[in-house]
Amino acid sequence: DAGVTQSPTHLIKTRGQHVTLRCSPISGHKSVSWYQQVLGQGPQFIFQYYEKEERGRGNFPDRFSARQFPNYSSELNVNALLLGDSALYLCASSVDRRHEKLFFGSGTQLSVL
Amino acid sequence: DQQVKQNSPSLSVQEGRISILNCDYTNSMFDYFLWYKKYPAEGPTFLISISSIKDKNEDGRFTVFLNKSAKHLSLHIVPSQPGDSAVYFCAASAKNTGTASKLTFGTGTRLQVTL
Repeated sequence: DAGVTQSPTHLIKTRGQHVTLRCSPISGHKSVSWYQQVLGQGPQFIFQYYEKEERGRGNFPDRFSARQFPNYSSELNVNALLLGDSALYLCASSVDRRHEKLFFGSGTQLSVL
Repeated sequence: DQQVKQNSPSLSVQEGRISILNCDYTNSMFDYFLWYKKYPAEGPTFLISISSIKDKNEDGRFTVFLNKSAKHLSLHIVPSQPGDSAVYFCAASAKNTGTASKLTFGTGTRLQVTL
């Protein structure tokens, strides 16, 4: 079975632009979470989606939004990009929102110039 | 406010010896703890976990110890192998956040296993 897949793997944007990142969870997993990892830090929780609804949100501005589709895949959107948004964005899936064991994708490396 | 702390940014251990990675936390509501391993250009991979109702969990060469009174956990790898060289993240979850998938991660410890 395929693991968590994310696209694109790398992305370069300029300040003020908008970006959309995509994630497909492991088959059978209904919960998708997004994390941001800045260089030298651990991943930081952004969102969790379960059954197409937001179930948890971290300390991120409203420029960050996400959604989950009927097939449980997910998109993360970031508007009005700032230089500080440069990071590795990780998607993780789990069976459901009660499970702490997350399976991560390889991430999307976003560079904002 | 760093609720999960890994105070050693790096650790070097000889092959065959024991590797001990440490993690401290401050939030007493954390009730589930996990260790993840991360290789360059890959996402974190789940290694082992422990519930707050236990003080030890073992899986092959990997053992996690939890000391709730000290708010401290450690990961022991015995024997260490060159393939264990990676960045290790400690993570914690709290039921009162409403979602178990909200993990709080430490900053990681880079383990290098030398020949």
